[in-house]
Order: sequence, then structure tokens, then C-alpha cells
Amino acid sequence: DAKTTQPTSMDCAEGRAANLPCNHSTISGNEYVYWYRQIHSQGPQYIIHGLKNNETNEMASLIITEDRKSSTLILPHATLRDTAVYYCIVRERDDKIIFGKGTRLHILP
Amino acid sequence: NAGVTQTPKFRILKIGQSMTLQCTQDMNHNYMYWYRQDPGMGLKLIYYSVGAGITDKGEVPNGYNVSRSTTEDFPLRLELAAPSQTSVYFCASKTSGVMAKNIQYFGAGTRLSVL
Repeated sequence: DAKTTQPTSMDCAEGRAANLPCNHSTISGNEYVYWYRQIHSQGPQYIIHGLKNNETNEMASLIITEDRKSSTLILPHATLRDTAVYYCIVRERDDKIIFGKGTRLHILP
Repeated sequence: NAGVTQTPKFRILKIGQSMTLQCTQDMNHNYMYWYRQDPGMGLKLIYYSVGAGITDKGEVPNGYNVSRSTTEDFPLRLELAAPSQTSVYFCASKTSGVMAKNIQYFGAGTRLSVL
């Protein structure tokens, strides 16, 4: 079973920041938080990952709480092309990915 | 760089037929994976391989077989197709090692219907 809890769906207005929460209260010290997204009918795409510190790349920012029991993926300026299912995954570096149902993000024009 | 390539993109099978889903990657990744995704659900791991000659079962291996004779190829075999195997199948690969980010790269998927 997935080790994370995510809302089933969220809406965000185009041009605004999309903040996607994820709870992982049983995360262990060796486990990373990974985010992938799946645009309709395509294969999942890696977005970002982190262990303890906040991370930022060209796609998104990842904010991990100090106790590591939850995190937030931030898409700073959402566009219609960001409409997708977003998966939050907790795993050790070489471990298998266990996908949950993710959050279906709708970007509204 | 093609990445992960899956063929065919679509296929319709009759119950009891067999087929092989092809997956090849050109990134010299040692790890490869097969997932299935049923409508409205997340991906479930079928089989994976950590290198040529080594394979292992995932969450839902029943009804499938795999082989890994080369680093590049990881075919998935359905011997006796059943309607329950109607799904979208994704292949993925990743590298490993101390400096690797352990990012999985996915193919575009194969849509299979068993009627």
C-alpha cells in the first residue's frame, strides 16, 4: 500500500500557484519524498524529490515540514498544461515506487 | 535520445491469445520495470529487473512473465490473455548508484484490450 495520503482532487486558477499537499506520517529516516505527475494518457513524469531540505527546480518547489510527516508541491504559475494527476511517493533511494491514486489537479482558465 | 520505447501502442486480443509487449531503453539503465494501470487507478508494479539476467515479482505478477537478456530490452509476456488484463501497460527504467537521483523514466504506454 502507498505510504502517503493526498486529496483526491484540487482546482487552481491559471496563473496562480498550485499547492498540492501530501501526508506521510510514517516516513522513515532513509526515505525520500518523490513527486511524479501523469498527464492524461501519458506515462508518469518525474517532477522533484527531497529528503529533508526544501528543493526547487525548473518545474516546481518542494516544501518538507521539519518533522518530515508532510510536504507540499508548489507549481508557482500554473498553466493549463499542468492539468494532471500528481503522485506523492515515499521510498528509499533504490526501492520500488508504490503509486497511490494521487491528486487530480484541474487548472481553470 | 529516444528514452524508453514501447511497442505496440494499442492492441486488441481475444481471450486465450498470447502476446509480448516490447520495451527498450537507450539510456544504459540497469533497472527496468513493468506497471499496469487500470482506469482511474494508480500504477501497479508487475515485474522489475535490476540488471540483465535478473528479474523479480512486483505487486501483481500473476498471468505475466518477463525476461531480461540484455540491458536494453525488457519484454513482458502474456501467455493466456484474460479480460482482467485489459489495462494500460507502462515500462520504465532508471539508473542506480551513489550519485544517481533514482528517477524513473517512463514509456508512452501500451493500451491492451482483451475481449
